[in-house]
Amino acid sequence: ETGVTQTPRHLVMGMTNKKSLKCEQHLGHNAMYWYKQSAKKPLELMFVYNFKEQTENNSVPSRFSPECPNSSHLFLHLHTLQPEDSALYLCASSQYKQGNTGELFFGEGSRLTVL
Amino acid sequence: RKEVEQDPGPFNVPEGATVAFNCTYSNSASQSFFWYRQDCRKEPKLLMSVYSSGNEDGRFTAQLNRASQYISLLIRDSKLSDSATYLCVVLSGGYQKVTFGTGTKLQVIP
Repeated sequence: ETGVTQTPRHLVMGMTNKKSLKCEQHLGHNAMYWYKQSAKKPLELMFVYNFKEQTENNSVPSRFSPECPNSSHLFLHLHTLQPEDSALYLCASSQYKQGNTGELFFGEGSRLTVL
Repeated sequence: RKEVEQDPGPFNVPEGATVAFNCTYSNSASQSFFWYRQDCRKEPKLLMSVYSSGNEDGRFTAQLNRASQYISLLIRDSKLSDSATYLCVVLSGGYQKVTFGTGTKLQVIP
């Protein structure tokens, strides 16, 4: 069973709604990631947090707002999204030490549909 | 040139066949390499790490060629359950640079 839990698994929202995706990892890792996966595209890295500090923001629009209150929890706050934001949003965690990270462990993803 | 490139496939092979996938990467300073498997509408899961000397796990063999900057995955005696998309993952410079390929789709046919 996955050590990374994401909720909700499915979300349908209108363009004016505000919602949040939640991720929790039970693996004791110190790095967490948000990825976006759209049809026929590679996984796109959105945000990286290491020891609760954001270290990567890949030119993600401000309608996506991450929050990492501690090393086990990661949120992605969504507001005024566009239909093209419909995708599978995957959370992952890894253990980073001495300049390298181990493999990423993924949650099952939150499938988002924006109407 | 893309950072990580894979042939998207699909590769349609009969049961029992041997199939090989290649993945090329552009950053010569890349440090770690993995193959992930992703089933339809599921999350990616680690299949195997790729070590410099090559490594094998049952029917799966992974190879790394640093000089030519590619990694490969060989699947012997293909099973129906091997049908999935196989993702090449390259790590460079610590946790920031985790780059996924687009994936190669494999369909094993009865």
